[in-house]
Amino acid sequence: GAVVSQHPSWVICKSGTSVKIECRSLDFQATTMFWYRQFPKQSLMLMATSNEGSKATYEQGVEKDKFLINHASLTLSTLTVTSAHPEDSSFYICSADTGTSGGHNEQFFGPGTRLTVL
Amino acid sequence: AQSVTQLDSQVPVFEEAPVELRCNYSSSVSVYLFWYVQYPNQGLQLLLKYLSGSTLVKGINGFEAEFNKSQTSFHLRKPSVHISDTAEYFCAVSERIEAGSYQLTFGKGTKLSVIP
Repeated sequence: GAVVSQHPSWVICKSGTSVKIECRSLDFQATTMFWYRQFPKQSLMLMATSNEGSKATYEQGVEKDKFLINHASLTLSTLTVTSAHPEDSSFYICSADTGTSGGHNEQFFGPGTRLTVL
Repeated sequence: AQSVTQLDSQVPVFEEAPVELRCNYSSSVSVYLFWYVQYPNQGLQLLLKYLSGSTLVKGINGFEAEFNKSQTSFHLRKPSVHISDTAEYFCAVSERIEAGSYQLTFGKGTKLSVIP
């Protein structure tokens, strides 16, 4: 149980185009989903926290107009990179909150999406 | 704010040797600690977690970690590593951001390289 999928796994696009990444919780409902960005050989940096039916909460320094997040249902959140540029090339990982486990909520991570902007 | 320090960015170790990956944290509230493993071009997989109770936590793949509150550490250990353990390992601390919701802060990661 607690499987999170992401689609697509890899995407290559031209500079100036927009790219949508989907994050789905396959066998549970996730009230909260998180979007992370990971540069090569670096750690995960939280971009935003997404709650179903409400606006996402963005971390400092993350442009909300650049990275559009929609948490339309309890099993789906999408990240759209608008007008992508080469510096947006990165590994994007989502996670989903499974709810209380031992008094604490646990996140399960998707497999990640590799975005390359030419 | 919470922070996580992984002192070693790279750890090379021979196959079947023991290994310890170090993690120190800072937190002013109740602590929930995690170790994740990441294989190339993949997401994160949970190795183990400390929420409460016994300070020695056993995880998957033969890994274990010990929560030491006085030293604010949560070091990861394995008595005998295998080639397949070669991966990036991340320590993380969890912080409650609102009722029923928590946020993870990750360390910078430690690259474990197992040498045949």
